[in-house]
Amino acid sequence: AQTVTQSQPEMSVQEAETVTLSCTYDTSESDYYLFWYKQPPSRQMILVIRQEAYKQQNATENRFSVNFQKAAKSFSLKISDSQLGDAAMYFCAFGNNDMRFGAGTRLTVKP
Amino acid sequence: NAGVTQTPKFRILKIGQSMTLQCTQDMNHNYMYWYRQDPGMGLKLIYYSVGAGITDKGEVPNGYNVSRSTTEDFPLRLELAAPSQTSVYFCASSPADNYGYTFGSGTRLTVV
Repeated sequence: AQTVTQSQPEMSVQEAETVTLSCTYDTSESDYYLFWYKQPPSRQMILVIRQEAYKQQNATENRFSVNFQKAAKSFSLKISDSQLGDAAMYFCAFGNNDMRFGAGTRLTVKP
Repeated sequence: NAGVTQTPKFRILKIGQSMTLQCTQDMNHNYMYWYRQDPGMGLKLIYYSVGAGITDKGEVPNGYNVSRSTTEDFPLRLELAAPSQTSVYFCASSPADNYGYTFGSGTRLTVV
């Protein structure tokens, strides 16, 4: 069975600093995709970043980047220069047609 | 751009009632999904569809039914509502698997 684990229920970061959110997963597949989604208080789910497992290069989208360790089945999200608007729930997700989501990490940004 | 539209946004049902949650997308995406999100939890897949006329069960399909007669629409039917179905329901679509989803804004359903 495919599982996704986010071990940090809550994280806090000072504005303008960097924070890393952790995610691990379990699968027997060799080719797959991983995602991070953001859910602000508005409830809307927003795709933050996508990583293809067969690519060794870590994905980057502006201030968001991932550290993908395939052998360790780890997929962490780094947010640089944190902004107040980054405060949200962040979900790691993995899979194909039946994408599985982690339980989420609530990120607080302190001014 | 409308994207994925869900209606209604809020609904209160009594135990044993039935209802249909509507989902429409205007991006010509083949893949569509229904998830539920319980308080403080991640999303769990209820049903998904890879194209018109094709549907498959996800992790938590019991108590729900779906149909996909057109590319645009993917309604979710609740029969005999139960308190355990109190949740926020999200519809999503994507052009292909592994592409990342576009989500609707969700439907908050309360069963009393």
